[in-house]
Amino acid sequence: DTGVSQNPRHKITKRGQNVTFRCDPISEHNRLYWYRQTLGQGPEFLTYFQNEAQLEKSRLLSDRFSAERPKGSFSTLEIQRTEQGDSAMYLCASSLVSSGTFGSGTRLTVV
Amino acid sequence: AQSVTQPDIHITVSEGASLELRCNYSYGATPYLFWYVQSPGQGLQLLLKYFSGDTLVQGIKGFEAEFKRSQSSFNLRKPSVHWSDAAEYFCAVVPGGSNYKLTFGKGTLLTVNP
Repeated sequence: DTGVSQNPRHKITKRGQNVTFRCDPISEHNRLYWYRQTLGQGPEFLTYFQNEAQLEKSRLLSDRFSAERPKGSFSTLEIQRTEQGDSAMYLCASSLVSSGTFGSGTRLTVV
Repeated sequence: AQSVTQPDIHITVSEGASLELRCNYSYGATPYLFWYVQSPGQGLQLLLKYFSGDTLVQGIKGFEAEFKRSQSSFNLRKPSVHWSDAAEYFCAVVPGGSNYKLTFGKGTLLTVNP
């Protein structure tokens, strides 16, 4: 068990560019979650997958955001046409049911 | 909608002193309850969780929490704080048994003075 892995750890991008983050969950976990954490706030739920099916999306997830989990393994979160307000820590977690493990996150800075 | 309140934004204690971080939740039924710790620039580490049973829960790093249904509270405690405990602490809830879709409080930043 190597834990939940997120890449990259840090990403600096110019406003208007597209970015993609990757999350590799714990292998036996069938559920995968994405959260966003802005400065001084607790993490907020974005979306979650059970296997390859995306079961729920938050209203925070605008149409510029898309998440995938092909084959029910790793997941990607893409942000198109980034805005300064997208600057945040993006956290991934995986679980079996009601308890899981978080990755170290990807820190996005939009300049 | 469920919510989590951490009334203290920032707490400062001296090393060796006791600590209590407050957490109140608003939810129709008893949710699953969690405490996480986050060091600067890092992800979240689970300290402890409560699902059911004994209302006093022991966690890692010498932390414990007590669930009080009548007060809708799940306060985190530690008898003697170490300098390495300085971090941000988050309380979180999830509807019982459904999944790991957590609702977090805004966090309490703990500063430890030598």
